[in-house]
Amino acid sequence: DAGVIQSPRHEVTEMGQEVTLRCKPISGHDYLFWYRQTMMRGLELLIYFNNNVPIDDSGMPEDRFSAKMPNASFSTLKIQPSEPRDSAVYFCASSFPGADTQYFGPGTRLTVL
Amino acid sequence: GENVEQHPSTLSVQEGDSAVIKCTYSDSASNYFPWYKQELGKGPQLIIDIRSNVGEKKDQRIAVTLNKTAKHFSLHITETQPEDSAVYFCAARNPGGTSYGKLTFGQGTILTVHP
Repeated sequence: DAGVIQSPRHEVTEMGQEVTLRCKPISGHDYLFWYRQTMMRGLELLIYFNNNVPIDDSGMPEDRFSAKMPNASFSTLKIQPSEPRDSAVYFCASSFPGADTQYFGPGTRLTVL
Repeated sequence: GENVEQHPSTLSVQEGDSAVIKCTYSDSASNYFPWYKQELGKGPQLIIDIRSNVGEKKDQRIAVTLNKTAKHFSLHITETQPEDSAVYFCAARNPGGTSYGKLTFGQGTILTVHP
């Protein structure tokens, strides 16, 4: 069974450009989480969804960040406009209904020049 | 909000020795404490977890202990092997009135096991 799928795996862009990160959760999982990992701030939750509905977006750093989940199989995290301080590894994770375990994807390494 | 402190930041042991990583949390409402292992270039992977109504849990060479009164929990790895080398993260989840709650992670411990 395929795990959480993220694309692209690496993204290099220039400041001011729009960046879209994509995630496909494990089939049947109804929770989806977006995390950001940096050396300075560690692993921090940005937003999470339950049944495609955003539940807690208090970790989204600012209005430049937005996330959507149009259906149970797909979510996007968009940064517009991107800034060098957005450089990080972004992880998507999903969880089975009623379960505690979060399954993480391989991450997208974003570099904003 | 919840704050999780993790120590040490780096840990170096000889193969066969034991390794202990400790975490403290701030919010007494937190009720779920997972430990994740992250290998280079990969996402974190759950290795063991414990709920607040349990004091200790063991899975082969890995064990976790929880002291609710002191608000700290620890990961114990016995008979370490080189493949245990990775970054380990503790986390605490505060339900916060929602259906799932929010995981707050510690800063991570880089474990190196020398052959």
